[in-house]
Amino acid sequence: NAGVTQTPKFQVLKTGQSMTLQCAQDMNHEYMSWYRQDPGMGLRLIHYSVGAGITDQGEVPNGYNVSRSTTEDFPLRLLSAAPSQTSVYFCASAPRDKGYTFGSGTRLTVV
Amino acid sequence: SQKIEQNSEALNIQEGKTATLTCNYTNYSPAYLQWYRQDPGRGPVFLLLIRENEKEKRKERLKVTFDTTLKQSLFHITASQPADSATYLCALPDRGSTLGRLYFGRGTQLTVWP
Repeated sequence: NAGVTQTPKFQVLKTGQSMTLQCAQDMNHEYMSWYRQDPGMGLRLIHYSVGAGITDQGEVPNGYNVSRSTTEDFPLRLLSAAPSQTSVYFCASAPRDKGYTFGSGTRLTVV
Repeated sequence: SQKIEQNSEALNIQEGKTATLTCNYTNYSPAYLQWYRQDPGRGPVFLLLIRENEKEKRKERLKVTFDTTLKQSLFHITASQPADSATYLCALPDRGSTLGRLYFGRGTQLTVWP
């Protein structure tokens, strides 16, 4: 199993650009989540999903969209990038009632 | 919403001693609580999950307790080693939530020196 795969690992965007961060898991996990991690702020939940076709907002959803058309994939879309979205983004997945498996992260810089 | 507080940002202990990390929450008692380890530049790694009806859980040198009266979980690493140096995070689900809505504390950075 590859686990949770995030692409790209690094990305630089200009303010106003849009992009999609990809996340795929091959463990048939029901739950998937996106977090951002900033110095001094810890991990903050952006969006999450409890199954294909079901998504919901976390703590900091503004400026981000998600969809879950399949169990395996959970892409995160930045609609119009802002410098405040400079962060490290983690995707994670879990089976019901178990701990999360995290990806290796995407380091995003918005200039 | 839930506020999660982890004890002091950094904890330094000598090799062989027991490290004790604290996670306090302020509002409702969650159905379970999780602990993760994070190394610099890496994603968190799941360590243990303890449910509200479990007072204590162990895994090798790790021990977690969960006191719903005190609204606190303690995470112990016995016989600590320099390789245990990392940031440790506790995480709680939202009230009445499935596992999907999981919130993290800011973590405690543990350094074990020889």
